[in-house]
Amino acid sequence: GAVVSQHPSRVICKSGTSVKIECRSLDFQATTMFWYRQFPKQSLMLMATSNEGSKATYEQGVEKDKFLINHASLTLSTLTVTSAHPEDSSFYICSATGVLSNQPQHFGDGTRLSIL
Amino acid sequence: AQSVTQPDIHITVSEGASLELRCNYSYGATPYLFWYVQSPGQGLQLLLKYFSGDTLVQGIKGFEAEFKRSQSSFNLRKPSVHWSDAAEYFCAVGAGAGGTSYGKLTFGQGTILTVHP
Repeated sequence: GAVVSQHPSRVICKSGTSVKIECRSLDFQATTMFWYRQFPKQSLMLMATSNEGSKATYEQGVEKDKFLINHASLTLSTLTVTSAHPEDSSFYICSATGVLSNQPQHFGDGTRLSIL
Repeated sequence: AQSVTQPDIHITVSEGASLELRCNYSYGATPYLFWYVQSPGQGLQLLLKYFSGDTLVQGIKGFEAEFKRSQSSFNLRKPSVHWSDAAEYFCAVGAGAGGTSYGKLTFGQGTILTVHP
């Protein structure tokens, strides 16, 4: 089945650091990628939708200058958390879907971000 | 706006027992419905999906779900639970058909399944 690789799986860094998370589709062309945030014992909240070659569409309440998303190719999207602070600590998950109609989203294994 | 409700936060069953996880959705048109499973610290794996046609959908790992439009429900079932099924299960609804509008998912709160030996 379709595989989505997310890297790194875990990041621990100091407050004020910027952190980049990569999401790659390994065996299909991902025209659309999604970035989610999941707080402990809660559901996934969609942060933004990115289409290859276009600017990302952010959900209400998500700071686009804080969470920079780039989707420069059909296999790679990146999420950069700029000047991260402890409240940005969370589990970030990406997903990808392809060009085929009704193709479901395939999820990466997530990135645990801890800001000290 | 679409929404998904999973009424049960935590369910405990014995290994070998049957399982039903409830999911109710709210959506103005024909929904695209999904069940995903998440193991601790990992991403989501698709168990099954419903787009149209037969309202009883078969998925992986012996799971099935039934779409009932009159009840706005999409409950997940398994006749005999295995210890390895212990995980968190998410129901989700998608909007539209094709293109990016299809892909935007709204998730329920999740149901944690514990399996006793």
